[in-house]
Amino acid sequence: SQELEQSPQSLIVQEGKNLTINCTSSKTLYGLYWYKQKYGEGLIFLMMLQKGGEEKSHEKITAKLDEKKQQSSLHITASQPSHAGIYLCGAGPSGGSNYKLTFGKGTLLTVNP
Amino acid sequence: ETGVTQSPTHLIKTRGQQVTLRCSSQSGHNTVSWYQQALGQGPQFIFQYYREEENGRGNFPPRFSGLQFPNYSSELNVNALELDDSALYLCASSRYSEAGELFFGEGSRLTVL
Repeated sequence: SQELEQSPQSLIVQEGKNLTINCTSSKTLYGLYWYKQKYGEGLIFLMMLQKGGEEKSHEKITAKLDEKKQQSSLHITASQPSHAGIYLCGAGPSGGSNYKLTFGKGTLLTVNP
Repeated sequence: ETGVTQSPTHLIKTRGQQVTLRCSSQSGHNTVSWYQQALGQGPQFIFQYYREEENGRGNFPPRFSGLQFPNYSSELNVNALELDDSALYLCASSRYSEAGELFFGEGSRLTVL
């Protein structure tokens, strides 16, 4: 079964600093999804990456999928307190009719003002 | 556009009891997935419903069952509750064609004593 490892497990940064969160898969990724979760709440979809080398940006968040499609990174530029939360990467299935996502354990981001 | 709503938000049960959790899909979505998230872990896929039928199941025992109704709302039923069932239960809706882009509800926090 596919496993996703996220690093770091937690991260504390000063407002305005840049940061990167990594997600490494045990198998080739056929779809990589980034979500954000406020503690104890639902997940909010951020971005989806499918092609090797793909890069997407939304506001100050950029996500990349490496050429080998086994690692993704999420980069936040000039962090703000509103960026605080748990960031989760999720992998789509390689086949089959049902579409379950396998998630990593998440990275807890704290942004100090 | 109405988002995904879940009820109840919090509930406490004792071991051996049964529980039903409810979810209303976002309008325009025909697929519902349920996930279990234990404290400090990423969400784990329970099952998915499409066209009122189970369309894939994760590694959960048969005492976890579900329904999807013609209006695409859904229920998750858990029988013979165990202490380890204590978790945040997340419902997510999507369009079947875009099944990796999930729209999550706020979750139902279940505590089993």
